[in-house]
Amino acid sequence: EDQVTQSPEALRLQEGESSSLNCSYTVSGLRGLFWYRQDPGKGPEFLFTLYSAGEEKEKERLKATLTKKESFLHITAPKPEDSATYLCAVQATGSARQLTFGSGTQLTVLP
Amino acid sequence: DTGVSQNPRHKITKRGQNVTFRCDPISEHNRLYWYRQTLGQGPEFLTYFQNEAQLEKSRLLSDRFSAERPKGSFSTLEIQRTEQGDSAMYLCASSLTGGAYEQYFGPGTRLKVT
Repeated sequence: EDQVTQSPEALRLQEGESSSLNCSYTVSGLRGLFWYRQDPGKGPEFLFTLYSAGEEKEKERLKATLTKKESFLHITAPKPEDSATYLCAVQATGSARQLTFGSGTQLTVLP
Repeated sequence: DTGVSQNPRHKITKRGQNVTFRCDPISEHNRLYWYRQTLGQGPEFLTYFQNEAQLEKSRLLSDRFSAERPKGSFSTLEIQRTEQGDSAMYLCASSLTGGAYEQYFGPGTRLKVT
């Protein structure tokens, strides 16, 4: 059974204080690993897809990396508007197309 | 607006009543997914369609739940005889067909069963 574990559950940062969020996964075969951002009361917003170990993607202050067992979302010099819950999900190879999500990391960036 | 839309956004119902939610996917996407999310958890997969065919259903999808996508465009999710444990955010997503295409989510329908 596919599993995704995210840590920490919650993270409070001062504006400008860089940090990383962790996503550990167990999957029979990885088709893709996805990062989403979710604001309270809204649906998840797509950020990145990573396909193979060693791959990196960047968007503004966010950088996602992937190894064979985990992914990191690095946040450089965060701003208060980066406050949200960040969700990691995996899609396995085979006929299944659903995403298996972790419970998320709730990030708060203080001004 | 070319994103995924869901209606209604909020629904309050009494235990035992039936409810139906609608999802309109991004127009060129032929895959449509339903997920359920409770507070503090990530979304959990319920079912998915490719065009009008329902290809997978989760164990979470009890026989009180039914989903349709009659013409391969919009989809409906019906819950019969609602229970308090059905209270959650119901999310719809859509994607292109093929490899690991990202799924784009709608704003969700928040259901409260009293």
